Amino acid sequence: EAQVTQNPRYLITVTGKKLTVTCSQNMNHEYMSWYRQDPGLGLRQIYYSMNVEVTDKGDVPEGYKVSRKEKRNFPLILESPSPNQTSLYFCASSKGQGPTEAFFGQGTRLTVV
Amino acid sequence: GDSVTQMEGPVTLSEEAFLTINCTYTATGYPSLFWYVQYPGEGLQLLLKATKADDKGSNKGFEATYRKETTSFHLEKGSVQVSDSAVYFCALSVPRGNYQLIWGAGTKLIIKP
Repeated sequence: EAQVTQNPRYLITVTGKKLTVTCSQNMNHEYMSWYRQDPGLGLRQIYYSMNVEVTDKGDVPEGYKVSRKEKRNFPLILESPSPNQTSLYFCASSKGQGPTEAFFGQGTRLTVV
Repeated sequence: GDSVTQMEGPVTLSEEAFLTINCTYTATGYPSLFWYVQYPGEGLQLLLKATKADDKGSNKGFEATYRKETTSFHLEKGSVQVSDSAVYFCALSVPRGNYQLIWGAGTKLIIKP
């Protein structure tokens, strides 16, 4: 089954404690991205990757890091989480550039206290 | 810059009512337009899309027509069901750079039996 898998689904952590949210896709997609979803703001792109070892900043990259060492995996790293990073996070992948369908993971609800 | 504006929710309707969710956009060039749906506790999934002016996207009884003259892509359904309750997102993709998806804020739809 074609899917994007994120883990964990729910995470409560404390300010400053480094965390990683994993994302994996099984569709051999080149393009992957991370979004955060906040009420009234829709989805905002954090980082994206157009292929292995190619990553770039989206609209709200501050406080986040990513890596793309393999095509299927695109982890999101919060080196020192802060309460304003409390949000719902989605990983997405698509076949490549152009108006292609984006496939989303089920989301990770992160709370930083 | 490029942007998408959706009607604010929540929109509450009775079963079998007619649905319209308005979406207008601002973009340079010729964007592709999308509607995504997010069911409770799930990630987003593509509902329908249109890639050029006057195209009509349709799926699961939902329709939207790409209107370049009014820069709109309104979502419609003739008879909604309780199972249509979800959050609906309008988005656009501009054919330059990384084809980033630009998102509206989302419209929550509640259908009452």
